[in-house]
Amino acid sequence: EAGVTQFPSHSVIEKGQTVTLRCDPISGHDNLYWYRRVMGKEIKFLLHFVKESKQDESGMPNNRFLAERTGGTYSTLKVQPAELEDSGVYFCASSQEAGTIAKNIQYFGAGTRLSVL
Amino acid sequence: AQSVTQLGSHVSVSEGALVLLRCNYSSSVPPYLFWYVQYPNQGLQLLLKYTSAATLVKGINGFEAEFKKSETSFHLTKPSAHMSDAAEYFCAVRGGRGSGYSTLTFGKGTMLLVSP
Repeated sequence: EAGVTQFPSHSVIEKGQTVTLRCDPISGHDNLYWYRRVMGKEIKFLLHFVKESKQDESGMPNNRFLAERTGGTYSTLKVQPAELEDSGVYFCASSQEAGTIAKNIQYFGAGTRLSVL
Repeated sequence: AQSVTQLGSHVSVSEGALVLLRCNYSSSVPPYLFWYVQYPNQGLQLLLKYTSAATLVKGINGFEAEFKKSETSFHLTKPSAHMSDAAEYFCAVRGGRGSGYSTLTFGKGTMLLVSP
């Protein structure tokens, strides 16, 4: 069974450009999470999808970030326009359910390393 | 509110020595606690989890962690380090900003260095 996959693995862009990150969760996982790790800091929650609906997006830094999950399958996270402070590693995770602990184990992708110059 | 503190951004051990990675948590509710490991160029992999059953939790690759409520700790140990254990380790508590019970709040991570 395929795990959580993220594309691209690395992205280098200039300030002001747009970047779109993609996450393919484990098949059948309704819950999809985005997290971000800025260099030297802890991994922080950005938002949570249940199927195609945003359950919570309180961790999104500002309105330059837009996440979508059309059809409840893969998700994209767009940053437009990118700023220097957006650099970091963006992780995606998925889980079967959010409620019961046994089915809420979050499986992570390898992350996308974003560098904004 | 939930928070996690990992003492030591880097821990160095010799191969065969005891591994001890420290984690203290703060939680307003009975916590669910996790240890994840990230090997180079890979995703976060779940090592073990505490879900209010046994306080001593055994995970993969010979790691274990003990939940101590009185100390609000969940330290990760392994009796004998292998070179292959070199990686970054993250302690996390379920809940926090976001979906309350569902999201994870992480510590800053501890890089484990293993020397021959």
